[in-house]
Amino acid sequence: GDSVTQMEGPVTLSEEAFLTINCTYTATGYPSLFWYVQYPGEGLQLLLKATKADDKGSNKGFEATYRKETTSFHLEKGSVQVSDSAVYFCALTSFGNEKLTFGTGTRLTIIP
Amino acid sequence: EAGVVQSPRYKIIEKKQPVAFWCNPISGHNTLYWYRQNLGQGPELLIRYENEEAVDDSQLPKDRFSAERLKGVDSTLKIQPAELGDSAVYLCASSLARDSPLHFGNGTRLTVT
Repeated sequence: GDSVTQMEGPVTLSEEAFLTINCTYTATGYPSLFWYVQYPGEGLQLLLKATKADDKGSNKGFEATYRKETTSFHLEKGSVQVSDSAVYFCALTSFGNEKLTFGTGTRLTIIP
Repeated sequence: EAGVVQSPRYKIIEKKQPVAFWCNPISGHNTLYWYRQNLGQGPELLIRYENEEAVDDSQLPKDRFSAERLKGVDSTLKIQPAELGDSAVYLCASSLARDSPLHFGNGTRLTVT
């Protein structure tokens, strides 16, 4: 079945540091890939997505590239801010299956 | 636009008691989802509705869980009787169509004592 493996947290970085959160997946066919973010006290929000190999999703300075050869979708940001502190979830949907399969989430804390 | 609204925000009950959660999706969103998120885990799908029809309930523990979506708008999720292992955050989400992004509510945090 489909599965998503995420970098375990928590992750603590200083402001303006470079961020990478690793995500790899197992799926049948060619899945669509997503990053969701959950800020404190709020619901899950879609951060970015990519629907085919080599696509790059981007939003709010975050980027992730769909790498079919390594079955990965790592999240990156060049310079993090305190406001980026949240829990980040990698997720996928397989073709013909609208169910989102989530990773376990990575808690990110940015310190000033 | 107003987001997905869930209530209550928190619920504490004793085991063997019933509990119900309510969800109001974004207006016009035909697809509605209920997810359960255990502590330290990602959300897992319980049930998906297309309008008023449950099209995927394979992960719903049907011995104690039930759900309905009357008139294809609001939805309720019920647990009867609740067990200690049901303690989790229950998330509702909606989307405009099958392949559209999901919009999540803030969830209901259930604690069963």
